[in-house]
Amino acid sequence: GAVVSQHPSRVICKSGTSVKIECRSLDFQATTMFWYRQFPKQSLMLMATSNEGSKATYEQGVEKDKFLINHASLTLSTLTVTSAHPEDSSFYICSALAGANTGELFFGEGSRLTVL
Amino acid sequence: EDQVTQSPEALRLQEGESSSLNCSYTVSGLRGLFWYRQDPGKGPEFLFTLYSAGEEKEKERLKATLTKKESFLHITAPKPEDSATYLCAVQATGSARQLTFGSGTQLTVLP
Repeated sequence: GAVVSQHPSRVICKSGTSVKIECRSLDFQATTMFWYRQFPKQSLMLMATSNEGSKATYEQGVEKDKFLINHASLTLSTLTVTSAHPEDSSFYICSALAGANTGELFFGEGSRLTVL
Repeated sequence: EDQVTQSPEALRLQEGESSSLNCSYTVSGLRGLFWYRQDPGKGPEFLFTLYSAGEEKEKERLKATLTKKESFLHITAPKPEDSATYLCAVQATGSARQLTFGSGTQLTVLP
């Protein structure tokens, strides 16, 4: 299947700092990428839809000024958690749309964020 | 609103003991139903996509089936390495292709 790389896999930061997570599609171009958040023992919750060259679409309840998403190229989307607080600690997972016709989504390995 | 319900929440099987996981869904229009496997601390790994009722797909010991209201993931003669959380998700027609996930079934296969 298609390969999606996510970096970093783990990050620990102090409260008030910003953290950037990268999501790359390695062997295909992805006009659309999605960012999910997953709390322990829970399922994936969609945060935002990222389209190359345009502004991201955020789900209800997700603060767009806190979770900045940039999709500057067909293979890279970034999520920046600004002024992070302990409640932002979570597992963040990106996915990329491998084919608009098939609708198949492939996921990155996830990034574990811990805010102290 | 699209909804996905998976059952059971957790399932413990002996090695070789076949079973099925259930995924019930409600969606305005189904574009596709997806099954993923997720290991602890990892992102979901794609298994299958099903597009229409009556469709079946197989991969090694796994077989996925689809009806108009639910999907089953059948596991035949499971092995300990099949232990993982299995996630079901739906993709609605007219959407931007995002997925709505169920809460998953945590499968443990004992040797």
